[in-house]
Amino acid sequence: GAVVSQHPSWVICKSGTSVKIECRSLDFQATTMFWYRQFPKQSLMLMATSNEGSKATYEQGVEKDKFLINHASLTLSTLTVTSAHPEDSSFYICSACRTGRDGTEAFFGQGTRLTVV
Amino acid sequence: SQELEQSPQSLIVQEGKNLTINCTSSKTLYGLYWYKQKYGEGLIFLMMLQKGGEEKSHEKITAKLDEKKQQSSLHITASQPSHAGIYLCGAAREFGNEKLTFGTGTRLTIIP
Repeated sequence: GAVVSQHPSWVICKSGTSVKIECRSLDFQATTMFWYRQFPKQSLMLMATSNEGSKATYEQGVEKDKFLINHASLTLSTLTVTSAHPEDSSFYICSACRTGRDGTEAFFGQGTRLTVV
Repeated sequence: SQELEQSPQSLIVQEGKNLTINCTSSKTLYGLYWYKQKYGEGLIFLMMLQKGGEEKSHEKITAKLDEKKQQSSLHITASQPSHAGIYLCGAAREFGNEKLTFGTGTRLTIIP
């Protein structure tokens, strides 16, 4: 089956620093990837849509200057949390879509747990 | 925006018993995904349903999408400890676009 890999799986950083999270589709090309955030005991909330070769589309309430998204190739999207603060601590998950004969399916990465201290 | 209601929010079931989790939408579902998540980990894909009346099964888990495509149920037969986790339904907001809106999740606990 399709595999989406996220790196790192967890990261601890100091307040004010930036953190980059990578999302790779390992065995298929993805023109579109999605970034979600999950706070403890809550469901996943879509943050932004990452489009290969163009600007990301952000959901309402998500600061585009704080959460920088780069989708430079068909297999890699990165999310950079700039000037991270403790309230940014969360679980971040990406998904990549693959279109096949059965339609379009979304596959998720393993997630990245960010802790800002 | 499309909202998904999951019920129940939590479920404690004795091992070997059957259980059902429901996912209801206020709008037509263009694609309905079921995932399992252990807290703080990634999502494990279970099944995807697209057609009204569709039903899929994998091992002891069966998922159905009603004819109106506004409600889905996930049924587990003869539950096992390995079934414990958080079950999430996710729905595509529009046809061909897999930007998903997720339900609130159902926490399943299996007791021996």
